[in-house]
Amino acid sequence: AQSVTQLDSHVSVSEGTPVLLRCNYSSSYSPSLFWYVQHPNKGLQLLLKYTSAATLVKGINGFEAEFKKSETSFHLTKPSAHMSDAAEYFCVVKTGTAGNKLTFGGGTRVLVKP
Amino acid sequence: GAVVSQHPSWVICKSGTSVKIECRSLDFQATTMFWYRQFPKQSLMLMATSNEGSKATYEQGVEKDKFLINHASLTLSTLTVTSAHPEDSSFYICSAFSYEQYFGPGTRLTVT
Repeated sequence: AQSVTQLDSHVSVSEGTPVLLRCNYSSSYSPSLFWYVQHPNKGLQLLLKYTSAATLVKGINGFEAEFKKSETSFHLTKPSAHMSDAAEYFCVVKTGTAGNKLTFGGGTRVLVKP
Repeated sequence: GAVVSQHPSWVICKSGTSVKIECRSLDFQATTMFWYRQFPKQSLMLMATSNEGSKATYEQGVEKDKFLINHASLTLSTLTVTSAHPEDSSFYICSAFSYEQYFGPGTRLTVT
């Protein structure tokens, strides 16, 4: 079985400061891990993905995430938050045994203060 | 590339009626599509896996007779909410699989 835990349901940051969104996963096999962003009443946009290559993954809009197997973590970071980063973020895991099914974390809502 | 569309983007219907939501992969073929449901301020929950030319596979707790899924072609899957009730009001999102899942923009269903 696979599962994902996003450790913070809400994160509030000031514009221009770093953003950290924490994610821990559980998987019996080597997972693929994703971060998606969802703006209000919109679909999902893929920020980045890890698929067993480099452990530090760079994504779009200045986001990056580091896969740490020993900690079963895949935290998302951005050095400097922008107002447009205010959205819901989902950490997602997929293992081959699940038939390409994705398991979503509970989501983290990011608020960016001016 | 890899664009997925959904139609309609929002729909309001009366209790007891049925509503059909379409999911299309516009520039690629997808043998597998997925349907998710998202309640306000909650995460996405997988409802079913739709395979072209075969019956959909439903997740535990999802009523297959209430949420009818048809994957008639490699670019189209439909979700029909039958005899809709207010508790079916939700945001429905589909995804199409081609090496990875590409998500549609979602359909907001409101049942009055």
